[in-house]
Amino acid sequence: DTGVSQDPRHKITKRGQNVTFRCDPISEHNRLYWYRQTLGQGPEFLTYFQNEAQLEKSRLLSDRFSAERPKGSFSTLEIQRTEQGDSAMYLCASSLAPRGNYGYTFGSGTRLTVV
Amino acid sequence: DQQVKQNSPSLSVQEGRISILNCDYTNSMFDYFLWYKKYPAEGPTFLISISSIKDKNEDGRFTVFLNKSAKHLSLHIVPSQPGDSAVYFCAASADPSGNTPLVFGKGTRLSVIA
Repeated sequence: DTGVSQDPRHKITKRGQNVTFRCDPISEHNRLYWYRQTLGQGPEFLTYFQNEAQLEKSRLLSDRFSAERPKGSFSTLEIQRTEQGDSAMYLCASSLAPRGNYGYTFGSGTRLTVV
Repeated sequence: DQQVKQNSPSLSVQEGRISILNCDYTNSMFDYFLWYKKYPAEGPTFLISISSIKDKNEDGRFTVFLNKSAKHLSLHIVPSQPGDSAVYFCAASADPSGNTPLVFGKGTRLSVIA
């Protein structure tokens, strides 16, 4: 297992376009988290899944954002009608519950730039 | 509303000396704390954790101290090495099983000077 993979590593898009990111967690991990990190800030929680169920969503996740985890494996995060304020590093992490937080493994992130 | 605060954006330390990174929290429900280390172009990696039932946890050169009454924790790195240069994030959770997601501080950039 190569850890948590995120694709693409970088994405530049024009304002108003839709973008989709993919995360492949560690295969035996049942929990998957999405975080966002902007310049000078720490990672901010967006949403998380246990298997295919989306258990919690942050108020940061506006209705332009949607996340899925079909079949409890990989996950996608889609942003519709992107805005310049969406420019950030989008981080995915996975863990094995109930070991939970101790086993958080992050991917290298997808850096989104909205121009 | 910053529930986890790292008030020092940066810290420079000579190689071989002690690095002390500080973290304060406001939510009294937090009972599990972690430190993550992040190099440029990589995701954060887990470094060390501590449960609220302890006041110290040690792993090699890294020791985390927790003062619950002060809502303060610190990470000590002894001796500091140039490879320790990275951004360090303090994180907290109200549930060590992961049912509530981690809350992160803004990070402290540590530079270890050879």
